[in-house]
Amino acid sequence: NAGVTQTPKFQVLKTGQSMTLQCAQDMNHEYMSWYRQDPGMGLRLIHYSVGAGITDQGEVPNGYNVSRSTTEDFPLRLLSAAPSQTSVYFCASRAPFPGAYMNTEAFFGQGTRLTVV
Amino acid sequence: SQQGEEDPQALSIQEGENATMNCSYKTSINNLQWYRQNSGRGLVHLILIRSNEREKHSGRLRVTLDTSKKSSSLLITASRAADTASYFCATDDTGRRALTFGSGTRLQVQP
Repeated sequence: NAGVTQTPKFQVLKTGQSMTLQCAQDMNHEYMSWYRQDPGMGLRLIHYSVGAGITDQGEVPNGYNVSRSTTEDFPLRLLSAAPSQTSVYFCASRAPFPGAYMNTEAFFGQGTRLTVV
Repeated sequence: SQQGEEDPQALSIQEGENATMNCSYKTSINNLQWYRQNSGRGLVHLILIRSNEREKHSGRLRVTLDTSKKSSSLLITASRAADTASYFCATDDTGRRALTFGSGTRLQVQP
């Protein structure tokens, strides 16, 4: 199994540009999340989804949009990139079947390192 | 704001010594989890302890949980240079279906 796959691995954007970070998982997980990690800090939750068609905001949602049209994919869209969005972005998934989110571990992608200039 | 706060922020020890990291959190939880992150990589799950458990072991890892103090500790025994990484606690909060991460402890194990 590939697990959680994020693309691209690296990206440089100019201020004001938009882009989509891709995340796909092949474990049939219900729950998917996006986090950002800034230097020397932990992970902060941007958005999460508890199933296809259902999304919710995390701690730092401003400037980001998400959608979940399939179980496998959870793309993160930057609407108008700003230097403050320079960070490493991680996608994670968990919960192999509905209602099983409790007491399950999360599986992470390898991250997308984004620089906004 | 982040749920978990960890201390120390950084820890440097010699190979063979034990490493202890602490995590404090603020709200009611279903479970608490510990993850490891090697430099520049994604996080990898280490161990999960449920809110009704007080201690759990997995190999060289020992985790304790004190829900009355809202705190947890991770002990790595007989550390190895390969244990060098950042370690994060994450809480699975009741009423919220996403993990909340602490700020992490950077562990350096000197060979």
